[in-house]
Amino acid sequence: KNEVEQSPQNLTAQEGEFITINCSYSVGISALHWLQQHPGGGIVSLFMLSSGKKKHGRLIATINIQEKHSSLHITASHPRDSAVYICAVDNTDKLIFGTGTRLQVFP
Amino acid sequence: DSGVTQTPKHLITATGQRVTLRCSPRSGDLSVYWYQQSLDQGLQFLIQYYNGEERAKGNILERFSAQQFPDLHSELNLSSLELGDSALYFCASSFWGTGNTIYFGEGSWLTVV
Repeated sequence: KNEVEQSPQNLTAQEGEFITINCSYSVGISALHWLQQHPGGGIVSLFMLSSGKKKHGRLIATINIQEKHSSLHITASHPRDSAVYICAVDNTDKLIFGTGTRLQVFP
Repeated sequence: DSGVTQTPKHLITATGQRVTLRCSPRSGDLSVYWYQQSLDQGLQFLIQYYNGEERAKGNILERFSAQQFPDLHSELNLSSLELGDSALYFCASSFWGTGNTIYFGEGSWLTVV
């Protein structure tokens, strides 16, 4: 079993839909990162959080430390949100990555 | 633009050869990380340097080595290359550690033929 599990693996949505991507982990962590990987390969850090909730524009990330679970929400999705979203947990200075969620948003 | 510069962007080489990937971290960042992304294993942490010293080690093969120089740029050396080493290699940097925002370079695509 992977230490970091993401669901779903693939997700398609119509423009404007509300999207949720989930991440569960089984190791102790000091922080959790949400990353976005574009089709060209580049990776951008979206959030780093260790508790509670963070919001940036249409993106919201939450984490429940007790339940070892985090969610990434995208409100009013747009085709430019199409990318792979990767959850990574910080385990003693090492990032352990989930396998990613491939999101496609259609107009 | 993350501020992290990686060269080369693409590299094709033969099995058994040795290559060096280069990374310049974002200005002011002291930590440099190397990651490997392959189709079958996803993203994996290789190694971290902080201010010139090795700080954390992941699934880095013995055929691979890295270092961080006094000007904080880093190099990842891959030797005795095998077909399975074909992957996208990312360098990333942060101010101190993984508890800070991590900035990724565009990656170096390595193809071993």
